[in-house]
This record gives sequence, C-alpha cells and structure tokens, in this order.
Amino acid sequence: EVQLVESGGDLVQPGGSLRLSCAASGFTFSTYWMTWVRQTPGKELEWVANIKEDGSAKFYLDSVKGRFTISRDNAKNSLFLQMDSLRAEDTAVYYCARTARNPEFRGQGTPVTVSS
Amino acid sequence: DVVMTQSPLSLPVTLGQPASISCRSSQSLVYSDGDTHLNWFQQRPGQSPRRLIYKVSNRDSGVPDRFSGSGSGTDFTLKISRVEAEDVGVYYCMQGTHWPPTFGQGTKVEIK
Repeated sequence: EVQLVESGGDLVQPGGSLRLSCAASGFTFSTYWMTWVRQTPGKELEWVANIKEDGSAKFYLDSVKGRFTISRDNAKNSLFLQMDSLRAEDTAVYYCARTARNPEFRGQGTPVTVSS
Repeated sequence: DVVMTQSPLSLPVTLGQPASISCRSSQSLVYSDGDTHLNWFQQRPGQSPRRLIYKVSNRDSGVPDRFSGSGSGTDFTLKISRVEAEDVGVYYCMQGTHWPPTFGQGTKVEIK
C-alpha cells in the first residue's frame, strides 16, 4: 500500500525556518516525481514545488522561489522541503504527493503556522 | 497561470439523486504528448484530499463507479450518479498540464 507520512510542521515566527519531511513506502520512490502541495486556512489548495525522480530538476511556485528548497534522498525513500524566511502567508497544511502532473495524496499533512 | 473555475461552489443534493460539478480552464489542457492532465479530488470533512479521477476520466483504485469524469479542451465535468452520505465534502479540480499546476476553488457537496 502506498503511504506518505509528512512531519516537521510547527509554529514558527516570521522570518524563521522549518524543514518538512515526507517518508514514502509501498512503491519504488526513486521512479516517481514528487510534489509538495499546501492547503491554506481558507481551504485553497496550492501547488508549492516538485522534483524529478533523480533530483536533477526542481520547480517552484513563484512566491516561494528563493525561500523554499525541495530535495529528496532516494536511498532513504524521503522527500524534504526546507522553508526559510517564512511569512504569515505560508501558513498552511503541507502535503507531499506522488507524481507531478496528476498528484496522489496519501498522507495526513503537516501543519505550519507562521505567527509572532 | 491557468485559472480553474468550478461551478457551482455549493451543491445541496438529495440522497440517491445525481450531482454534477463543472470545471473550466482558462487554457486548453491538452498536453504536447496528447494527454489531458485534469484531475478531480475529494476532501471529506476532517480528511486529506484524495484523488478520484486522473486524466479526465480514469477512476482511481477503490473509487466507486458512481463517480465519473468527462470533458475535453477547457470544459470538464465530475458526475456522481447517485449521491450517498459518504460523498459529502469538497471537490476540487486540478490541472497539471501547464506550469504551475493549479486547482479550482472547490465545490462543497452537502445533503439537503
């Protein structure tokens, strides 16, 4: 069974940093594009970033470019999102998803709150 | 960015009756490889989103056959042939053809 378990979300002050993790199991992780999507408090879904199977290509939402970094460790079946210079508008539940163009959500998400 | 517009935003339905949600994109969603990357997601109250339909009309494993997707180009539809109580929630369309991928606003399905 495909499973994705997100972790690392927390309450952080504006300007702070967080590193989200996603542990994958039940499929051959290294053969899939992976994606981070977030859901705002208003329930809007927003694609954040994705990464190619071997990590050689990465794409970002304009508003997070230069502040967020997506990465992966195929040996450990893990996906990461390093979030720096966090802003109030980054407050959301963050989900990892399998594939890029037709994402599959399989986890519960991890909440990030940016507030002083 | 491609704008995804869903209608209606709220859909009260009677148990056992059909329901239909429309999703329109601001650009054609046909990709260069011929595929159309239009997906539908269901989010039940208190749960994470779950993909129901991918590439317009392909039902995911475990999705009841009362759910069906159709459409082409810029106009797409999700239909529920007979609504059941477990179908209550918010439904989102999403396009993955153009960068960045974008989602619709969501349609809230509730029982009358």
